[in-house]
Amino acid sequence: GESVGLHLPTLSVQEGDNSIINCAYSNSASDYFIWYKQESGKGPQFIIDIRSNMDKRQGQRVTVLLNKTVKHLSLQIAATQPGDSAVYFCALKGSGSARQLTFGSGTQLTVLP
Amino acid sequence: GAGVSQSPRYKVAKRGQDVALRCDPISGHVSLFWYQQALGQGPEFLTYFQNEAQLDKSGLPSDRFFAERPEGSVSTLKIQRTQQEDSAVYLCASSLVGLGGEQYFGPGTRLTVT
Repeated sequence: GESVGLHLPTLSVQEGDNSIINCAYSNSASDYFIWYKQESGKGPQFIIDIRSNMDKRQGQRVTVLLNKTVKHLSLQIAATQPGDSAVYFCALKGSGSARQLTFGSGTQLTVLP
Repeated sequence: GAGVSQSPRYKVAKRGQDVALRCDPISGHVSLFWYQQALGQGPEFLTYFQNEAQLDKSGLPSDRFFAERPEGSVSTLKIQRTQQEDSAVYLCASSLVGLGGEQYFGPGTRLTVT
């Protein structure tokens, strides 16, 4: 089956520093990966995605890196701001017909003033 | 434009009661997903609709869980004879296309079974 894990359940960073959140996955057949941000009381919000034919993708202040050799995914947030405090989930698209998302357990990012 | 909405936002049920959770997807979105999120965990897939057809219900934890989307728009997740382990946030997501596309999540319904 598919499983998604994260290296750290919590991460604290100083405002203005860069944040790196890591994720490992087991299903080598996965071809689409997404990072979500979830604030308290809200549903997950799409941040950035990457397909398996890429190893890096950049957005506004965020970069996702994919290493298919070691089945590792990371999210880098530049110049972390207080509004970035949330739980971050990596997710992968399943290989089933529904293409449902399989989520990791999440990393709580806390931005310190 | 309006996003995915869910109601109620909070539901407290006594063990053994039936509950119905509603999801209003983004207008025109073909696909609709239900997920269950336990406290401190990531969402877990329950079931998937493409228009009115329920194409995958492999994630439903028991036959007490039932979902429908009769007109291909609004969906209802029903849980019969609720048990304490059903306590969780139930998230609904919709996407524009059938087998891919970004999933947009609603705020969820927090169900507490006492």
